[in-house]
Amino acid sequence: EIVLTQSPATLSLSPGESATLSCRASQSVSNYLAWYQQKPGQAPRLLIYDASTRATGIPVRFSGSRFGTDFTLTISSLEPEDFAVYYCQHRSNWPGLTFGGGTKVEIK
Amino acid sequence: EVQLVESGGGLVQPGGSLRLSCVASGFTFSTYWMAWVRQAPGKGLEWVAVIKQDGSEEYYVDSVKGRFTISRDNAKNSLYLQMDSLRADDTAVYYCARDLKPGILLLYFQDWGQGTLVTVSS
Repeated sequence: EIVLTQSPATLSLSPGESATLSCRASQSVSNYLAWYQQKPGQAPRLLIYDASTRATGIPVRFSGSRFGTDFTLTISSLEPEDFAVYYCQHRSNWPGLTFGGGTKVEIK
Repeated sequence: EVQLVESGGGLVQPGGSLRLSCVASGFTFSTYWMAWVRQAPGKGLEWVAVIKQDGSEEYYVDSVKGRFTISRDNAKNSLYLQMDSLRADDTAVYYCARDLKPGILLLYFQDWGQGTLVTVSS
């Protein structure tokens, strides 16, 4: 089973700052990785798929990148509504997909 | 507008059964792979089951194999999850989710319902 390790567990930042979230895969997942945002009491929201493609309606301040088995979600300038938990998810070794443990972006 | 509305959650004793439903609207239900994803209280996300457009293929996470059954009724735009032999660690919010694009299995979940809570406890 491919394990996705997200870091840090918590990121404390102020609005306007840039956020960099990491997701490391235990083995190659090619580009088959997505990022989701989840706010308390809400369902997850797809932000990025195939490592770097923004989903429909997602602001350009969200971007994804890949370097080998390391994936990064960057939020270029945090808006108040961006404070949430972020999960990565791979789909590379079907049947079988997993989510990372999540990174909470909180207001400093 | 895409809508997914789950129902059927509740409190059930260990060893009991429950059937979740998800009614879809705003898109051509019969053309999408559909999934159930769950989230235990205060925990992360876990994929549970996936079903092909015509119901001819189903896949399950190992922890629910033999206990849960995913199904769909395209005439009713509905997705189901029959859960048997429930255990305490099945306690979670269960989300119905739609794959990203019609016709192919991408396993990126574009649209989600609001979730229904299943609590397994005596």
